[in-house]
Amino acid sequence: QKEVEQNSGPLSVPEGAIASLNCTYSDRGSQSFFWYRQYSGKSPELIMSIYSNGDKEDGRFTAQLNKASQYVSLLIRDSQPSDSATYLCAVRAGSYQLTFGKGTKLSVIP
Amino acid sequence: GAVVSQHPSWVICKSGTSVKIECRSLDFQATTMFWYRQFPKQSLMLMATSNEGSKATYEQGVEKDKFLINHASLTLSTLTVTSAHPEDSSFYICSALPANEQFFGPGTRLTVL
Repeated sequence: QKEVEQNSGPLSVPEGAIASLNCTYSDRGSQSFFWYRQYSGKSPELIMSIYSNGDKEDGRFTAQLNKASQYVSLLIRDSQPSDSATYLCAVRAGSYQLTFGKGTKLSVIP
Repeated sequence: GAVVSQHPSWVICKSGTSVKIECRSLDFQATTMFWYRQFPKQSLMLMATSNEGSKATYEQGVEKDKFLINHASLTLSTLTVTSAHPEDSSFYICSALPANEQFFGPGTRLTVL
């Protein structure tokens, strides 16, 4: 069974710090990796996708992928209170369907 | 990113009635759409995969006769909750794949009294 594991948190970081969110997955055939942000009461919003080993940067966000270790992470630099949300890691292994982790709740403290 | 809309954004209904939720892809064609359900403080649960022109594929434990899915065009999928009961109260979210990335609609909050 395909599994995606995330620390549920909450992860609390002070404003301006780097928030580090981690995710591991069980299916070695996984090919596509995504990070979604979900504010309370809202639907998930895609913030990053990554497909190959290494780092991918987009503004304050950096996704890191290590397929050998079956590990994907999201770094948020200069964290802002508006970044407070639940971050969902999602993994796809060939088919259309995504397998989601349960999410990590991030709180950025002003 | 791609735009997916849902209607209505919220609905309140009486127990035993049926509710239809629409999901539209606004700027792309979607042969495949997904329907999720999310209870408070819980993770997303995939209910079914909706395929244009064919029957939906339901996840284990999801009653296909209770949650009717119709994907009649490349831009519209509908989910009908039949004979709704209070335990069906939840946040229903659709999503679609314009390419490799999956985008979500804003969700529909269903409350069954």
